[in-house]
Amino acid sequence: EAQVTQNPRYLITVTGKKLTVTCSQNMNHEYMSWYRQDPGLGLRQIYYSMNVEVTDKGDVPEGYKVSRKEKRNFPLILESPSPNQTSLYFCASSFYQGLVNTGELFFGEGSRLTVL
Amino acid sequence: AQKITQTQPGMFVQEKEAVTLDCTYDTSDQSYGLFWYKQPSSGEMIFLIYQGSYDEQNATEGRYSLNFQKARKSANLVISASQLGDSAMYFCAMREGYGNNDMRFGAGTRLTVKP
Repeated sequence: EAQVTQNPRYLITVTGKKLTVTCSQNMNHEYMSWYRQDPGLGLRQIYYSMNVEVTDKGDVPEGYKVSRKEKRNFPLILESPSPNQTSLYFCASSFYQGLVNTGELFFGEGSRLTVL
Repeated sequence: AQKITQTQPGMFVQEKEAVTLDCTYDTSDQSYGLFWYKQPSSGEMIFLIYQGSYDEQNATEGRYSLNFQKARKSANLVISASQLGDSAMYFCAMREGYGNNDMRFGAGTRLTVKP
């Protein structure tokens, strides 16, 4: 089954304790992205990757890191989480947008993170 | 400036009636794509419909249609014959430029379908 898998789905942690949210897709998509969702703000892009070893900042990258060592995986790293990073996080992937592909994003199920 | 604006934080509709969810966008690109996603209470993001900037016809997918008014920069979602299962959060999103996968989302509209 074609899917984007995120782990963990739920996590409660404390300020400053490093954590990683994993993301894996099995659709051979070149493009992957992380978003955070907060009430009244919709989804905001954190980081994205056009391909292996190619990553770039989105709109709200502060406090986050990413890596893309393999095409299928795109982990999100919070080196020193703070309470303002409490949010619902989504990983998404797609083929390159072009004449044939619309660039539709396929989303993981979301990871709800609480930082105390 | 906001790229995608959804002005209706919440909407109510009676079951079996049609409802329109508003979305306006801002871009100077000639090539762009507009998307609508549904987020039920379970949290997943479900793709509903896509409209390309060069598409002359309004997109339709089953009970969903996209009322695309290019000059007004609006891309409203129309849901016909609402069902209780349509109660969810709806997000409008835009991808700008050719070969660009980055997508910007609006703040969303929470739709409640009343029996």
